[in-house]
Amino acid sequence: KQEVTQIPAALSVPEGENLVLNCSFTDSAIYNLQWFRQDPGKGLTSLLLIQSSQREQTSGRLNASLDKSSGRSTLYIAASQPGDSATYLCAVTFYNQGGKLIFGQGTELSVKP
Amino acid sequence: GAVVSQHPSWVICKSGTSVKIECRSLDFQATTMFWYRQFPKQSLMLMATSNEGSKATYEQGVEKDKFLINHASLTLSTLTVTSAHPEDSSFYICSARDLSGSGYEQYFGPGTRLTVT
Repeated sequence: KQEVTQIPAALSVPEGENLVLNCSFTDSAIYNLQWFRQDPGKGLTSLLLIQSSQREQTSGRLNASLDKSSGRSTLYIAASQPGDSATYLCAVTFYNQGGKLIFGQGTELSVKP
Repeated sequence: GAVVSQHPSWVICKSGTSVKIECRSLDFQATTMFWYRQFPKQSLMLMATSNEGSKATYEQGVEKDKFLINHASLTLSTLTVTSAHPEDSSFYICSARDLSGSGYEQYFGPGTRLTVT
């Protein structure tokens, strides 16, 4: 079964700290991997999309890496701010799944001032 | 670009009634749309894949007679929750895949919060 797992489930850090969120997936045959942000009671905001052929993507203070062979991705957030507090979701499009996105359980991030 | 809207953003209905949720791709055409539901403190679970002009494909455990999906055009898919009960209360989110896109990126709507009393 193709699954996506995120660790940790929750993370609390002081403002200014650099942090890493982890995502692992069970099958290396993927089209892409996406990182999303979700604020409480809100929809999803797409942060970064990494295609299968790419190793990493960067947007501002965010950097996402992809290692297909080991089935892992990381989301690096530099110089965290209280406004970064949200749930971060990793989702994978696997081959032979009709384009479905399989989501991890998310990491709830809290950045303390 | 790549904007997806949902209507309504929230709805409260009485048990036994039906509720329709609309998902629209505003600036692109989408042959495929997806419907997800999310319970509090949980991740998104795919309910069904909606293809324009054909029947939806439902995930295992999702009752197709209860969650009716219609994808009548390249920009509109609807989810109707029939005979809603309190356990159907949830956050429903749709996504759409750009017909012209080269990859499998999905664009998400803002979600609809359904409360059944």
